[in-house]
Amino acid sequence: ETGVTQSPTHLIKTRGQQVTLRCSSQSGHNTVSWYQQALGQGPQFIFQYYREEENGRGNFPPRFSGLQFPNYSSELNVNALELDDSALYLCASSNGQGVGNEQFFGPGTRLTVL
Amino acid sequence: QKEVEQDPGPLSVPEGAIVSLNCTYSNSAFQYFMWYRQYSRKGPELLMYTYSSGNKEDGRFTAQVDKSSKYISLFIRDSQPSDSATYLCAMTREGSQGNLIFGKGTKLSVKP
Repeated sequence: ETGVTQSPTHLIKTRGQQVTLRCSSQSGHNTVSWYQQALGQGPQFIFQYYREEENGRGNFPPRFSGLQFPNYSSELNVNALELDDSALYLCASSNGQGVGNEQFFGPGTRLTVL
Repeated sequence: QKEVEQDPGPLSVPEGAIVSLNCTYSNSAFQYFMWYRQYSRKGPELLMYTYSSGNKEDGRFTAQVDKSSKYISLFIRDSQPSDSATYLCAMTREGSQGNLIFGKGTKLSVKP
């Protein structure tokens, strides 16, 4: 069984640029959630994708957007990067959108915005 | 008041000690409670998952949920240096579409 994978591992961007982060869900999982974890904080929910549609969104502006593909992999896109976007971006997959389904996290992508 | 409060520590204990980690929460609608372990520069790893009130044991780990007090705990028996990590509590409610609300995490160090 393959776990959740994310790419790239690290990324450095400058303010105003755009970035795309990628996630492959665990084998058999059809739901992907994205979280932002600032240094010294717990992860914060950005949004969830189920069957290629956004299925719930946290308190993040529209410049955070995403996609899910037919193979259940997902992308997180962030436009007009700000310094405060520097964080660890985590992807979690689960089998189904239900709240009772366990979420398994990938290793994350560390984004630094200069 | 934050929805989930967790003392960030750091917490330092000798090897073999019993560790108690705690979170309090304010939203009485939370019904699903989790504990994740996160090693430095890694993603969170699910340790324990409980529904509603009660206890759950898995090896050296015991999770407790007291919904009347809005308080959850994770106990680690016979702690090992390999348990040194940040422990995150997380919780969610019905209808939230899997939106996990996390505490800030408690950094634990187990000294040999």
